[in-house]
Amino acid sequence: DAGVIQSPRHEVTEMGQEVTLRCKPISGHDYLFWYRQTMMQGLELLVYFNNKAVMDDSGMPKDRFSAKMPNASFSTLKIQPSEPRDSAVYFCASSPRQGANVNYGYTFGSGTRLTVV
Amino acid sequence: QKEVEQNSGPLSVPEGAIASLNCTYSDRGSQSFFWYRQYSGKSPELIMFIYSNGDKEDGRFTAQLNKASQYVSLLIRDSQPSDSATYLCAGRGGGGFKTIFGAGTRLFVKA
Repeated sequence: DAGVIQSPRHEVTEMGQEVTLRCKPISGHDYLFWYRQTMMQGLELLVYFNNKAVMDDSGMPKDRFSAKMPNASFSTLKIQPSEPRDSAVYFCASSPRQGANVNYGYTFGSGTRLTVV
Repeated sequence: QKEVEQNSGPLSVPEGAIASLNCTYSDRGSQSFFWYRQYSGKSPELIMFIYSNGDKEDGRFTAQLNKASQYVSLLIRDSQPSDSATYLCAGRGGGGFKTIFGAGTRLFVKA
């Protein structure tokens, strides 16, 4: 399995521009997560999906961020307009369905390093 | 107060020693706990999970959970320079699938 695939690996954009981050989860994984990592805040959960449906987006600034999962093998995180404070590494992760007394951790993608200037 | 707290370190241990990493959590509803290792510039990778009180061993790693004290720890025996990384503690609540991460502890193993 190729693992969780994210693109692009690096993105540099100007303030005010639209940025789209992409993720392909591991085939068969029902859960998909978007996290943001900065030195100051660590890993913050932005949104997660279960079977393509948004389960929790309370960590996502909804005025500028949007997340979609149109099918089981693809998700996007869009920032519009981007701001310098959005500069961070954005990780996508996926996980199999949970079972009774079965605890799966996440498999993370390589991340997208976003710089907004 | 963050839901999952870790000492940011750095924690420095000599090669061959036991490294002890600690974590506390505030949500008593948290059911499962995870330890991830993250090398500089890389993504986190899962190394251990635990959901029952007590110890769980896997190779050189032992995870410990004390729900009464809301305390989780990771012991690394026979530490190697390749263990030098940031270790992230994470907790998952019983009512959902959201996992909250601590800020991480940087570990240096000196050869």
